[in-house]
Amino acid sequence: DAGVIQSPRHEVTEMGQEVTLRCKPISGHDYLFWYRQTMMRGLELLIYFNNNVPIDDSGMPEDRFSAKMPNASFSTLKIQPSEPRDSAVYFCASSLDPSGVATGELFFGEGSRLTVL
Amino acid sequence: DQQVKQNSPSLSVQEGRISILNCDYTNSMFDYFLWYKKYPAEGPTFLISISSIKDKNEDGRFTVFLNKSAKHLSLHIVPSQPGDSAVYFCAASSDGGTSYGKLTFGQGTILTVHP
Repeated sequence: DAGVIQSPRHEVTEMGQEVTLRCKPISGHDYLFWYRQTMMRGLELLIYFNNNVPIDDSGMPEDRFSAKMPNASFSTLKIQPSEPRDSAVYFCASSLDPSGVATGELFFGEGSRLTVL
Repeated sequence: DQQVKQNSPSLSVQEGRISILNCDYTNSMFDYFLWYKKYPAEGPTFLISISSIKDKNEDGRFTVFLNKSAKHLSLHIVPSQPGDSAVYFCAASSDGGTSYGKLTFGQGTILTVHP
């Protein structure tokens, strides 16, 4: 069974450009999470969805960040315009159901490493 | 404001010895705690968890201890193996309401196990 799939694995862009990160959760999982990893703050939750509906976006840094989940098998995280301080590894994770979430069974993708010059 | 803190950025131990990774939290609403392991260029993977109604949970070489009064948990790995070398993240969650399913992670501790 395929795990969580993220693309691109690496993205290098210039300040001011739009960045779109993509995620395909594990089939059948109804929770999807976007996390950002930095050296200073570790893993931070940006936003999560349940059944394609955003539940909590309080971690989204500012209006430059937006996330969508148009269907159960696809989500995007967009940064427009990008800034050097957005450089980080962005992880997508999915979970099967509430009990799965409560037991910590989040399944992470391999991450998208973003570098904004 | 870091609600989950791992104050040791790194830890180095000899193969066969015990590794002890520590984690502190400030939010008394947290009632479920987890450890994740992360290898380079991979996503974190779930390792072990503990509910706040327990003070110990064991799974093979891995044991997690929870001290609620001190708001402290630790992960013990015995015996440590070179393959355990990775970044270990502590995480916590609180049940119910809008925070349900939301994990708060620490900054991570890099564990290196020397042969």
